[in-house]
Amino acid sequence: DVQLVESGGGSVQPGGSLRLSCAASGFTFNSYWMHWVRQVPGKGLVWVSRINTDGSIIEYADSVKGRFTISRDDAKNTLYLHMSSLRADDTAVYYCARGLFGDPVGFDNWGQGTLVTVSS
Amino acid sequence: QSALTQPRSVSGSPGQSVAISCSGTSSDVGRYNYVSWYQQHPGKAPKLMIYDVTKRPSGVPDRFSGSKSGNTASLTISGLQAEDEADYYCCSYAGRDIYVFFGGGTKLTVL
Repeated sequence: DVQLVESGGGSVQPGGSLRLSCAASGFTFNSYWMHWVRQVPGKGLVWVSRINTDGSIIEYADSVKGRFTISRDDAKNTLYLHMSSLRADDTAVYYCARGLFGDPVGFDNWGQGTLVTVSS
Repeated sequence: QSALTQPRSVSGSPGQSVAISCSGTSSDVGRYNYVSWYQQHPGKAPKLMIYDVTKRPSGVPDRFSGSKSGNTASLTISGLQAEDEADYYCCSYAGRDIYVFFGGGTKLTVL
């Protein structure tokens, strides 16, 4: 079975940094685009970033551009999101999601999410 | 960045059909056949229900169907069941500079 397990969330002060990880199993990780999507508790979904199969195509939402960095380690079957210059409005549950082949908005498997809280 | 517009809530009785709309623009929903729909139960991760406007992933009941007309996409759920009560989000591609938008979400209540 496909499994995506996020980790690395927690509490951090404004201006701080955090690295999220997403451990993948049950599929050929290096064959899939991967995404990060976030959700403020009680609010809607917001796409954050995506990375293609070999890391040569990376895209970000405007709200995180220049502050967040997505990467992947195919040897470890792990997706990362390095977050810096964190702000209160970055507080959210962060999900990693697997992309459907050839579909930029089809996310067919999701992790359980990891909560990031930015507060002083 | 703009967002896709969904009704905040819809409701229906068991066995009935409901439709959830997702209004975009000619730059996103109207331009690309990349619209997906997600179901989210409280405290759970989203689940893909429809992709490429009309396609259903394996395991999704055929009571769920998607369509698009102009700049508006729709998710129709027929034969409503109690377990369909959830939040539903549409999502559209918006091109290389903006990429991906989600709608604000619609809460479906099964009466």
